[in-house]
Amino acid sequence: NAGVTQTPKFQVLKTGQSMTLQCAQDMNHNSMYWYRQDPGMGLRLIYYSASEGTTDKGEVPNGYNVSRLNKREFSLRLESAAPSQTSVYFCASSEFEGRNNQPQHFGDGTRLSIL
Amino acid sequence: GNSVTQMEGPVTLSEEAFLTINCTYTATGYPSLFWYVQYPGEGLQLLLKATKADDKGSNKGFEATYRKETTSFHLEKGSVQVSDSAVYFCALWHSSASKIIFGSGTRLSIRP
Repeated sequence: NAGVTQTPKFQVLKTGQSMTLQCAQDMNHNSMYWYRQDPGMGLRLIYYSASEGTTDKGEVPNGYNVSRLNKREFSLRLESAAPSQTSVYFCASSEFEGRNNQPQHFGDGTRLSIL
Repeated sequence: GNSVTQMEGPVTLSEEAFLTINCTYTATGYPSLFWYVQYPGEGLQLLLKATKADDKGSNKGFEATYRKETTSFHLEKGSVQVSDSAVYFCALWHSSASKIIFGSGTRLSIRP
């Protein structure tokens, strides 16, 4: 059981290039999330998708777009990469059932450097 | 709004020492509370959780008790090991939201 799979694991881009980070989960979860993690700043939510067909902005959405392609897949796109977007990106998924939310499952991250 | 505050790191301890990492939260009602652990080069993994007041979550020797009166969920372990070196995140989920709110993380280093 793979859980949450992110690709690629590492990427180096030049300023202005575009790229899409892929995420897929095999747990049949409704909700999926994209975070970025920067030193000393913990996790910051970029976008999330509470269910298939919906997406919402998180804390730091500027410079990013997302697509919930189907229930399994949730991609994050950088249209014009900037050095400030150098970070580690994590995808996560969870199932939400009223108060009994199931905890989030995380991928292993994508380490992205923008030169 | 909902928020989580946890003690700043880094925390450095010797092997077999007692560990406490403080976490307090702000939320209305009764959120679910979590501790996640992140080992170097990996994503976050759920360590333990508690869904109602006075619940105690436990896993791998770690414990945390949901204290409604002090709005706290402190992480404890009686005897830490070098393999416990990681970053620990406190988090809450509130039924009014569709997302988990994370604290800023506490880096723990254990000396042999």
